[in-house]
Amino acid sequence: DTGVSQDPRHKITKRGQNVTFRCDPISEHNRLYWYRQTLGQGPEFLTYFQNEAQLEKSRLLSDRFSAERPKGSFSTLEIQRTEQGDSAMYLCASSGRETQYFGPGTRLLVL
Amino acid sequence: GESVGLHLPTLSVQEGDNSIINCAYSNSASDYFIWYKQESGKGPQFIIDIRSNMDKRQGQRVTVLLNKTVKHLSLQIAATQPGDSAVYFCAENRNSGAGSYQLTFGKGTKLSVIP
Repeated sequence: DTGVSQDPRHKITKRGQNVTFRCDPISEHNRLYWYRQTLGQGPEFLTYFQNEAQLEKSRLLSDRFSAERPKGSFSTLEIQRTEQGDSAMYLCASSGRETQYFGPGTRLLVL
Repeated sequence: GESVGLHLPTLSVQEGDNSIINCAYSNSASDYFIWYKQESGKGPQFIIDIRSNMDKRQGQRVTVLLNKTVKHLSLQIAATQPGDSAVYFCAENRNSGAGSYQLTFGKGTKLSVIP
């Protein structure tokens, strides 16, 4: 399977804990995106990388959130001091140009 | 504000019939649109896209129509099958200046296919 992969697929954590998610994009894609999706809503843009450079961040990305793509390949999204409102599906997408292909997502539940 | 939305939240169709899912957008500067299909517990799956210099594009059993005059997008699915049951999103793709092409999604239409 050469699609976008994400790990873990599910994460349950207690409020106040830190969590980290990983995304492996399609290998030849230089653009990588993170989105958040809550129940019944469409995905909302969080941040974007071109190669290793983080070029754009949404105002949704509070200072508790940090994303990295150190070698321009896989990316990590870390949430510090999780809150119940962080419960959502976190989606990663990658693209060579405009068309974004999504991974299966990581579903986070904060208790 | 600028947004991409959908006219109907749910749509039920008989197996074998054609489905039409509608979408309205408000950003006239958007130059690229994508339809995604999302099944329960999965990520959005690319279906078809269209650029703003086109008004129609066809794929396998799917057609996307773009009416820039009224800022309306539609997805037509021919001979709808049970496997088409999912939530369908239109997304607006803006070249934000950073070249990010971030997507703005609507809320989605849930398509249910009746066997």
